[in-house]
Amino acid sequence: QSVLTQPASVSGSPGQSITISCTGSNRDVGTYDYVSWYQQHPGKAPKVLIYDVNKRPSGISTRVSGSKSGNTASLTISGLQAEDEADYFCCAYAGAFVIFGGGTKLTVL
Amino acid sequence: QITLKESGPTLVKPTQTLTLTCTFSGFSGSTSGVGVGWVRQPPGKALEGLALFYRDDDKRFRPSLRSRLTITRDTSRNQVVLTMTNMDPVDTATYYCVHAPIFYEYVRGRPIPLPNVFDVWGQGTMVTVSS
Repeated sequence: QSVLTQPASVSGSPGQSITISCTGSNRDVGTYDYVSWYQQHPGKAPKVLIYDVNKRPSGISTRVSGSKSGNTASLTISGLQAEDEADYFCCAYAGAFVIFGGGTKLTVL
Repeated sequence: QITLKESGPTLVKPTQTLTLTCTFSGFSGSTSGVGVGWVRQPPGKALEGLALFYRDDDKRFRPSLRSRLTITRDTSRNQVVLTMTNMDPVDTATYYCVHAPIFYEYVRGRPIPLPNVFDVWGQGTMVTVSS
């Protein structure tokens, strides 16, 4: 079962925007519009930010958005804030079950 | 409010069987289409989906671990139990219980539950495999 490919790290200054990519295949991201994104602070459980490619759960900031093109999904965080510094994981439905990305560490400079 | 709490041993020996229990509240485990499952995370590494329980005849597993995993539900106790056989040091990880809300896709006219998101996570329990 393949892992979705994410950049190991991204960084940005407060107020800037960053985008994290998540590349899969035509067996997962490319076929199903069921991509979710999770934020994880050190020592904490993951928290969902985006589901179904671009839907935000109640309480999630409008600074967070998701999109998809072909086999690649993306998470964009605008107006970076210090508290956005965390690890981010994508997850995709791959027929019956799910696969996760390798994770991306976001550093706010 | 949905809550999930994991319990189980913190240390197991190689070749032993791990049994983890997820006790949940705020929803009925017997509600059609609701899934309760397990995701793990080795130290400093990525998340890995392990297993998901929808009903007795609909359980989903990570293909590479399918032969080692069992997942069951005790509706009366609001618990989902994961067992993993033949534990190895590479199985050292934090194990999270997760909730998958009701969501269906229609396959040949039949509604099939689909894990489109894990919307609630337990706090996690660290399991170390070492002799």
